[in-house]
Amino acid sequence: RKEVEQDPGPFNVPEGATVAFNCTYSNSASQSFFWYRQDCRKEPKLLMSVYSSGNEDGRFTAQLNRASQYISLLIRDSKLSDSATYLCVSLIKAAGNKLTFGGGTRVLVKP
Amino acid sequence: NAGVTQTPKFRILKIGQSMTLQCTQDMNHNYMYWYRQDPGMGLKLIYYSVGAGITDKGEVPNGYNVSRSTTEDFPLRLELAAPSQTSVYFCASSYPAGVLKETQYFGPGTRLLVL
Repeated sequence: RKEVEQDPGPFNVPEGATVAFNCTYSNSASQSFFWYRQDCRKEPKLLMSVYSSGNEDGRFTAQLNRASQYISLLIRDSKLSDSATYLCVSLIKAAGNKLTFGGGTRVLVKP
Repeated sequence: NAGVTQTPKFRILKIGQSMTLQCTQDMNHNYMYWYRQDPGMGLKLIYYSVGAGITDKGEVPNGYNVSRSTTEDFPLRLELAAPSQTSVYFCASSYPAGVLKETQYFGPGTRLLVL
């Protein structure tokens, strides 16, 4: 079983709609979580950190459920520019801030 | 700040050749990492370093070597290139564990094709 698992998608989303997707993690030692965005043939870039209480950044909302070991990302009012692959990432601080990446969820926003 | 820079951007190697992928960061980060990303897959950690002179293996270290003689540079060496090493290689850096800013900053990547 992969440490961080994601639905690869693609999620085809009409412009202006809301899309949400989850990621599950298996290592209970994971301490921090992040969503990274990766555009085609580009490097990953941090979208947002995920806090236990849930956090919002503009149209993006992230939530963490430690009991069920999943993280979610919700995008409201989708824009064409939101089309990308979203990588779910867990971090274990011991031994060098090691990040474990999920395989990514591809989102395609269409007019 | 240039952030994390990687060279070359793209390289074709023949089986058995060797090469060094260069990575430099100007953010004074202690921690540096090398990942590979195969098509349609997530990133896998090859090697990482928590400071100059200290390196450690990640998830997929076989076929690679690293060194960290300075805080800024973290080169990745492929000694005998194999087709299985065809991938996109990303270098990243971050602040030390325990500091609030845990974000890893990525370089633009090196695309490697081994034929």
